[in-house]
Parts: sequence; structure tokens; C-alpha cells
Amino acid sequence: ILNVEQSPQSLHVQEGDSTNFTCSFPSSNFYALHWYRWETAKSPEALFVMTLNGDEKKKGRISATLNTKEGYSYLYIKGSQPEDSATYLCAQLLFGNEKLTFGTGTRLTIIP
Amino acid sequence: DVKVTQSSRYLVKRTGEKVFLECVQDMDHENMFWYRQDPGLGLRLIYFSYDVKMKEKGDIPEGYSVSREKKERFSLILESASTNQTSMYLCASSYERGRVNEQFFGPGTRLTVL
Repeated sequence: ILNVEQSPQSLHVQEGDSTNFTCSFPSSNFYALHWYRWETAKSPEALFVMTLNGDEKKKGRISATLNTKEGYSYLYIKGSQPEDSATYLCAQLLFGNEKLTFGTGTRLTIIP
Repeated sequence: DVKVTQSSRYLVKRTGEKVFLECVQDMDHENMFWYRQDPGLGLRLIYFSYDVKMKEKGDIPEGYSVSREKKERFSLILESASTNQTSMYLCASSYERGRVNEQFFGPGTRLTVL
């Protein structure tokens, strides 16, 4: 993996169902992984900043895991609600670098 | 709460015009960033600054310049706007250089160059 990649690009999920999506990134020189939620007409907001291999973080119904050795992170949403509809972005920070490299995002639509 | 504000939500300019996009943050953050967002592409970094009067090129600096005269304000300048600079521009700030900090984003400016 040379760039930060997210899959799927878009996802439609029935309200109440759980879902997950993936962020893949180069594993060398890893420093941190960020997850952001970007709702339409709003600013992107940080969900998690993760640094350690095996890290798991949780905020309400949303959680994320991190595997720095194989270069991936999963974002899970349990019991999806309409307000979860947004684009979810991940971004990698490399060691010694101030710049975040963003993936293209996963656009999640919750169907009532 | 951190607040990042941008001078305009929507802007329409003509080819060749000089364009200023302003960003202000109110939490004494050291780092400030300018990104652009285009369909099918991730947020791409144009320039960033980690101190007053300091600037660093991002991944796509061509056609842009920046100014940071005060800690709270970071301006993006399009010296001579072109149609390929039509995009959504997002400003962000974060606490301090050398730390793993989340970035706080402004609401974005959707710029159309005719």
C-alpha cells in the first residue's frame, strides 16, 4: 500500500443495522491514524486519533481498531441511526512529518 | 470549544482575479492548514504553517501562496485564479507541532472560478 485507501467508497445501511469499513495505509514510518466524520454542510470533526498497534477506541456507538503492522484500521458503527449519515475520512500521519495524508472517504447513508 | 471560521461559504471569481481566503481560529493553536477537496479525491494539503510567518508547502502548492502575520489568522492567496482552482477549500488548525493532535476544521469555502 503506497497511499491511504478507504473501502467501500459508499455504503447504504438500514437503520438499526451495524456496519464497518476499512482504512488501509502504508505500515512503514507509521506515527498516527486519524478518523474524521464529515456531515453534509458541516465541518469535518475528529472521531479518534490512534497511535498504538492494537489500539481500540470507542465513542458511543462508534469504535475503531488499529493494526499498524499490517496497515489497516476498521471503523465500526453499532445500531446505525440517521444521524450517522456522513462521509468518514481516515488520515495517516507519518513519523517525522507534520502532514496528514487523507483517504478519499467512505460515504455512509442510513436508510430509515 | 475550538472554533475555526472562514471568511466566505461561497465565492465566485473570474479567471485571472486575485483571490484571498481567510481563516481564523480562536484557541491559540500553533498549526494551521489549507486543504482542497475535489470529488473522488481525498483532502489534499496545499500549505501549512506551524508558527507566525512560517509556512511549508503541502502536496499541491502550485498556484497558491499563504500568509500568516498573526497566530490566529492564516490566509490562502490565489494570485491569478484559474478554472482548475474551482474547489472546496478547508482550513484547519491543531494544537502544537510535534504532537499527535486532532485537527479542527472550518466550514469550508466553495470557490467557483469562471
